[in-house]
Amino acid sequence: GDSVTQMEGPVTLSEEAFLTINCTYTATGYPSLFWYVQYPGEGLQLLLKATKADDKGSNKGFEATYRKETTSFHLEKGSVQVSDSAVYFCALSDFGGTGFQKLVFGTGTRLLVSP
Amino acid sequence: DGGITQSPKYLFRKEGQNVTLSCEQNLNHDAMYWYRQDPGQGLRLIYYSQIVNDFQKGDIAEGYSVSREKKESFPLTVTSAQKNPTAFYLCASSIWVRGRNEQFFGPGTRLTVL
Repeated sequence: GDSVTQMEGPVTLSEEAFLTINCTYTATGYPSLFWYVQYPGEGLQLLLKATKADDKGSNKGFEATYRKETTSFHLEKGSVQVSDSAVYFCALSDFGGTGFQKLVFGTGTRLLVSP
Repeated sequence: DGGITQSPKYLFRKEGQNVTLSCEQNLNHDAMYWYRQDPGQGLRLIYYSQIVNDFQKGDIAEGYSVSREKKESFPLTVTSAQKNPTAFYLCASSIWVRGRNEQFFGPGTRLTVL
């Protein structure tokens, strides 16, 4: 079945450092790919998404490019802030029919940014 | 403001008791979902509903039950048959966005079995 693999955390960075969180996937079709962010004690928020190969999703300085040839969707940010400290989830969508989107999640990567 | 509300935020129950978690959305979304989150395991799908009065089991439905009597409400009951119910529970809803669904999540309920 479909699956998502993320790098294990925590990822510990100093403020203004460059961030990469790796994500690779296995899927039989042509899924959409997502990055969600979860701040402590809260639900998930959609950070960015890409729906087809070579699409680049971007939001709040974060970017990820849908690479079909390497089945990857790595998350990057040029300069992280303390407020970016959170858990980041990579996910893909598997469509079971009209109106239904099953999301398959990675295990999450915790990012800790120090001043 | 439109969104998804879950209540309560924290819930404690004794072993052997059933407990119901609330999920309400005012986004006019047709589909709703329940996920369970455990440390280091990501999110796993418990139940989902595409339309009122219809729902299907997800990957880990054993020990849980749901109902979908209204479009805006999708309560989850954790029964005494659930062997390890302590977890963080997330509700989500979705609507088509340019042919691709996008799920929106509630703030979650943390359930602890004492």
